[in-house]
Amino acid sequence: DTAVSQTPKYLVTQMGNDKSIKCEQNLGHDTMYWYKQDSKKFLKIMFSYNNKELIINETVPNRFSPKSPDKAHLNLHINSLELGDSAVYFCASSQVAKNYGYTFGSGTRLTVV
Amino acid sequence: AQSVTQLGSHVSVSEGALVLLRCNYSSSVPPYLFWYVQYPNQGLQLLLKYTSAATLVKGINGFEAEFKKSETSFHLTKPSAHMSDAAEYFCAVSWGGSNQFYFGTGTSLTVIP
Repeated sequence: DTAVSQTPKYLVTQMGNDKSIKCEQNLGHDTMYWYKQDSKKFLKIMFSYNNKELIINETVPNRFSPKSPDKAHLNLHINSLELGDSAVYFCASSQVAKNYGYTFGSGTRLTVV
Repeated sequence: AQSVTQLGSHVSVSEGALVLLRCNYSSSVPPYLFWYVQYPNQGLQLLLKYTSAATLVKGINGFEAEFKKSETSFHLTKPSAHMSDAAEYFCAVSWGGSNQFYFGTGTSLTVIP
């Protein structure tokens, strides 16, 4: 009954590979997000989808491509992985009109070697 | 422009001592303010939120925060620190109807036995 679930929890891969991270929320929220947390714990928003529509697309390399098949799912695909992509990626969801805050997933620790 | 500033990237307190984590915000509209906690290797968990009701907000685990408009502050306090409080704490600002948060850079709390 996890509210926001991400898979996988850990991902170790070689430079140049393509990988995907999946996220699902069962809260009925209308908006989902991807955040990147670097080694200094700084949180940077990458993308936001509202009812399957992309509404926030920060300055992120176009190797990163989000996909939202429905409002309960937001996946992140990364092409040609680089060493600098190593980080923890968090999915989150919210119901914007109610502004109760975000509910976060437990994160995916990506290590590029 | 909206932003938050967390003073002190690292705070150390003795077990049983007062915890004070500082957060100042900048917002051109009435803000919604949040504190999140991140335990090691976990996602972010909502501690408490201010959404224009009572200025003193009580959260989980004995934490509370007071919204002070004149000081543009939303500092987090706990009267007596416990070893289990050791974690990273993030302040965030949003506003009504918005789908984006602005996170502070985080404060790492260490509790000394």
